[in-house]
Amino acid sequence: SAVISQKPSRDICQRGTSLTIQCQVDSQVTMMFWYRQQPGQSLTLIATANQGSEATYESGFVIDKFPISRPNLTFSTLTVSNMSPEDSSIYLCSVKGGSETQYFGPGTRLLVL
Amino acid sequence: QKEVEQNSGPLSVPEGAIASLNCTYSDRGSQSFFWYRQYSGKSPELIMSIYSNGDKEDGRFTAQLNKASQYVSLLIRDSQPSDSATYLCAVRPGAGQNFVFGPGTRLSVLP
Repeated sequence: SAVISQKPSRDICQRGTSLTIQCQVDSQVTMMFWYRQQPGQSLTLIATANQGSEATYESGFVIDKFPISRPNLTFSTLTVSNMSPEDSSIYLCSVKGGSETQYFGPGTRLLVL
Repeated sequence: QKEVEQNSGPLSVPEGAIASLNCTYSDRGSQSFFWYRQYSGKSPELIMSIYSNGDKEDGRFTAQLNKASQYVSLLIRDSQPSDSATYLCAVRPGAGQNFVFGPGTRLSVLP
């Protein structure tokens, strides 16, 4: 399985600011995903990050709030814009592996005050 | 809307017992099924995948799939306190489609 790293691992941010989360994979992968996991909840897919094209967003998530970049096959960023306390969550990067599996990065724990 | 359901728990079992975790899904055409373990404060870790009806064993873990009844289960034999975690069921409805995750079942193995 791929080795996935995320930066930052955690952050505390003020309301109204933005945070960019980085995801780095040790091998080239075609599909990268960004998930949100709110406290005590399961995983919710935010978007699929496509290399060379716009990200594909799930219902309820918009590009203005969660802009995503995918400049190459090993890297992606997710920005959480104009944050509010409701954005406090764990943000997880995931990649598609063999046999239709998915593997997750360590996550970024975000607290918005 | 494609749904995956799990009993949220907590499911408490004594050390050494068999823990049985269940998951049902709504999309009859679903093809791939996965179990993830998530320790508190950590990210999900893939522990089992199953694609065809029947049982699949890996060490102390057995995944069971019944597509006709649309359920998938995970059995953990000889449960250990280190197995205490939240177990997430994930379903891929079809090739190229995104995972649908269940809400997770919290398992507590009591020493």
